[in-house]
Amino acid sequence: TQLLEQSPQFLSIQEGENLTVYCNSSSVFSSLQWYRQEPGEGPVLLVTVVTGGEVKKLKRLTFQFGDARKDSSLHITAAQPGDTGLYLCAGDGGTSYGKLTFGQGTILTVHP
Amino acid sequence: DVKVTQSSRYLVKRTGEKVFLECVQDMDHENMFWYRQDPGLGLRLIYFSYDVKMKEKGDIPEGYSVSREKKERFSLILESASTNQTSMYLCASSLVGQFNQPQHFGDGTRLSIL
Repeated sequence: TQLLEQSPQFLSIQEGENLTVYCNSSSVFSSLQWYRQEPGEGPVLLVTVVTGGEVKKLKRLTFQFGDARKDSSLHITAAQPGDTGLYLCAGDGGTSYGKLTFGQGTILTVHP
Repeated sequence: DVKVTQSSRYLVKRTGEKVFLECVQDMDHENMFWYRQDPGLGLRLIYFSYDVKMKEKGDIPEGYSVSREKKERFSLILESASTNQTSMYLCASSLVGQFNQPQHFGDGTRLSIL
């Protein structure tokens, strides 16, 4: 069974601060997906990283896939209240069934 | 735009009842999934299906069953509901045959078992 350890579980910061969320595993994944979930809604895909060492940027969000494809990080620069939500990482084991292994999630609160 | 629709946003049932949660997607996706989401535990896979009438157990299938009679519809069944099945249930779908496909989620059903 593949496991993904996501940390921290909670983050409470002030507007303008930077933060990083980590996802770590002992397993290799074919890709790592990051989702964001707002209250009352389902998770929505932010980005997929596929290649070891890959870095993708989405405005103030930077996603990195580890060289060995076992870990990933999400860095937010100058956080804003609109970034508040639950962030989930999910590893794709590489089957055609599309099964994902999810981390425990990080609840981010950005205070004005 | 893609859409996954779960039939109920909130549901309250009693212990021992048989409960049906319905999910419909309009994207012609082959894969469909049922998860439960509990604080601090992330999303845990209950069952998934990769084709009509095909189903596979996920990580926590005990106490649940599923039905997929049509490609667009995937139902989760709680055979005899218990209080420890109180949770948020999320349905998702994705394309088959290619790696790294994203999953598209419904907005969830918050189920309370009294």
